[in-house]
Amino acid sequence: GGIITQTPKFLIGQEGQKLTLKCQQNFNHDTMYWYRQDSGKGLRLIYYSITENDLQKGDLSEGYDASREKKSSFSLTVTSAQKNEMAVFLCASSILGDYEQYFGPGTRLTVL
Amino acid sequence: QQQVRQSPQSLTVWEGETAILNCSYENSAFDYFPWYQQFPGEGPALLISILSVSDKKEDGRFTIFFNKREKKLSLHIADSQPGDSATYFCAASLIYNQGKLIFGQGTKLSIKP
Repeated sequence: GGIITQTPKFLIGQEGQKLTLKCQQNFNHDTMYWYRQDSGKGLRLIYYSITENDLQKGDLSEGYDASREKKSSFSLTVTSAQKNEMAVFLCASSILGDYEQYFGPGTRLTVL
Repeated sequence: QQQVRQSPQSLTVWEGETAILNCSYENSAFDYFPWYQQFPGEGPALLISILSVSDKKEDGRFTIFFNKREKKLSLHIADSQPGDSATYFCAASLIYNQGKLIFGQGTKLSIKP
């Protein structure tokens, strides 16, 4: 088995601030993802990385940057936090070419 | 534009009953449909999935029924247990692009003991 660790668990920032969320996985998975989950809504894909040196935009990439530092880690940066961005950010990983995605517990972002 | 829709938004059933969660989609090219289960404070976890070549998939108390012509599917949870209380997400993707899952907005299921 493995685990996905997301840090921090709770993140509070000021409007306009640049904020970074981190994700680590020890599954040895090639592919990693960042999703945003708003209350009462489904998950929306922000960025994903198929292999270590790859980076792909999802449907919600505007206002975000991502970085795949190494195979096991994937970071997401909110470039300028906005109040309507308060949500839970979920990191996931999967075996290359496999369907099943394994999710971390999430980072809850609050913007003051 | 919501490509994957779920209904109802919330559902309460008694313990032992069958809970039925519905999902519909717009893109007829979608061919992989997973259902994810999420408990409060946790990330979603894959519960069961189906490919469009099948019309039914069973795994214990959980069954997916799939109607390709109508672009609809449903998740049936038989003999519902209080531990099944969670939010359930239907998702869809193309097999060749399985990294891009499109999620529905979820159904919050509560099981009354």
